[in-house]
Amino acid sequence: GENVEQHPSTLSVQEGDSAVIKCTYSDSASNYFPWYKQELGKRPQLIIDIRSNVGEKKDQRIAVTLNKTAKHFSLHITETQPEDSAVYFCAGVLNNNDMRFGAGTRLTVKP
Amino acid sequence: DTAVSQTPKYLVTQMGNDKSIKCEQNLGHDTMYWYKQDSKKFLKIMFSYNNKELIINETVPNRFSPKSPDKAHLNLHINSLELGDSAVYFCASSRGTNGYGYTFGSGTRLTVV
Repeated sequence: GENVEQHPSTLSVQEGDSAVIKCTYSDSASNYFPWYKQELGKRPQLIIDIRSNVGEKKDQRIAVTLNKTAKHFSLHITETQPEDSAVYFCAGVLNNNDMRFGAGTRLTVKP
Repeated sequence: DTAVSQTPKYLVTQMGNDKSIKCEQNLGHDTMYWYKQDSKKFLKIMFSYNNKELIINETVPNRFSPKSPDKAHLNLHINSLELGDSAVYFCASSRGTNGYGYTFGSGTRLTVV
């Protein structure tokens, strides 16, 4: 898991504020970057993904940005709600056959 | 939602025992994986199979042996269980090896006592 680094490890925000989670990767050949949300006791589920030919993708309150030159990508959640509280994982596909996950960010949204 | 199903969901067993976890996917995916998630929530890949062939084998004790009878199934057998094996084990599958369509199973919580 050292090929994808994720920060911060924990993040606490007030309801309605924005949350940003950042990841960096080391393999310049990586071309697919999904984000997963894992609620307590449940499986990780895909919430959004981005491919290397796109710089930004948005889905309602969630957006992901990708900077291939700097090798980093970020998840942005706007107007956070308590149900956004979960562990979020970024991931990158390395060498086209090996998906590595970041260490996870525990997001807490306080009502 | 049974796209990727794992059994059992919970497994409590004594040290030294041998146990198996089964995984099946009905998505038509070619690649299946096993991950271990420890108490700190880190998702660590253990094995990956593409069309029944092993393509990723991370540094995992040889007490862990995956078996893929066909591309829809990937089972995990663990010999001589140790306390440190306690974790949640997730199976996953994807279309091809590029990660697209990556879907996780519901997990198996293994507790070794």
